[in-house]
Amino acid sequence: RKEVEQDPGPFNVPEGATVAFNCTYSNSASQSFFWYRQDCRKEPKLLMSVYSSGNEDGRFTAQLNRASQYISLLIRDSKLSDSATYLCVVTQGGQNFVFGPGTRLSVLP
Amino acid sequence: GAVVSQHPSWVICKSGTSVKIECRSLDFQATTMFWYRQFPKQSLMLMATSNEGSKATYEQGVEKDKFLINHASLTLSTLTVTSAHPEDSSFYICSADGRNNEKLFFGSGTQLSVL
Repeated sequence: RKEVEQDPGPFNVPEGATVAFNCTYSNSASQSFFWYRQDCRKEPKLLMSVYSSGNEDGRFTAQLNRASQYISLLIRDSKLSDSATYLCVVTQGGQNFVFGPGTRLSVLP
Repeated sequence: GAVVSQHPSWVICKSGTSVKIECRSLDFQATTMFWYRQFPKQSLMLMATSNEGSKATYEQGVEKDKFLINHASLTLSTLTVTSAHPEDSSFYICSADGRNNEKLFFGSGTQLSVL
């Protein structure tokens, strides 16, 4: 089983739609969780950290379920500019960052 | 915020040549940098962890003699792809820990094409 798993998609959604991504991780000792966004042939950029209490940043909401070992990202009112690959990243503390394979999102006009 | 500079952005080279990629932390000292490779439509794959002043730690399956890493200072790590072949064509990207060791800051990546 891979350490971090995501549905690769692609998710094709119309503008204005709400879309949710899930990510599961296998190491119960994982400590920190992040969602990164990556555009084609660009570096990943931090979208948001994920906390147990859940956190929201504008149209984006991230949640962590430690018991079930999954992380979610919800995007409301999708924009064309949200089209990208969304990477789930998990750390076991310190410097061991593990990337999921990414989920591709295409927001259609 | 922390900035990581990587260059060159694009490299096209002939098979058999060596290519050096530089990764610099611009406003912080990075004792550890990471090198990743990404093939089309695939995720980032960690190649090696570069530690300042010591030997890099390579992931399983990554040839240390082919992918030479030098981290001679707290702000610079280099990756040299030696005797590059077409199958080495990929997107190479570096990253460094932020000061709090909780976030990664990425370079802009290098697209390598070996003819």
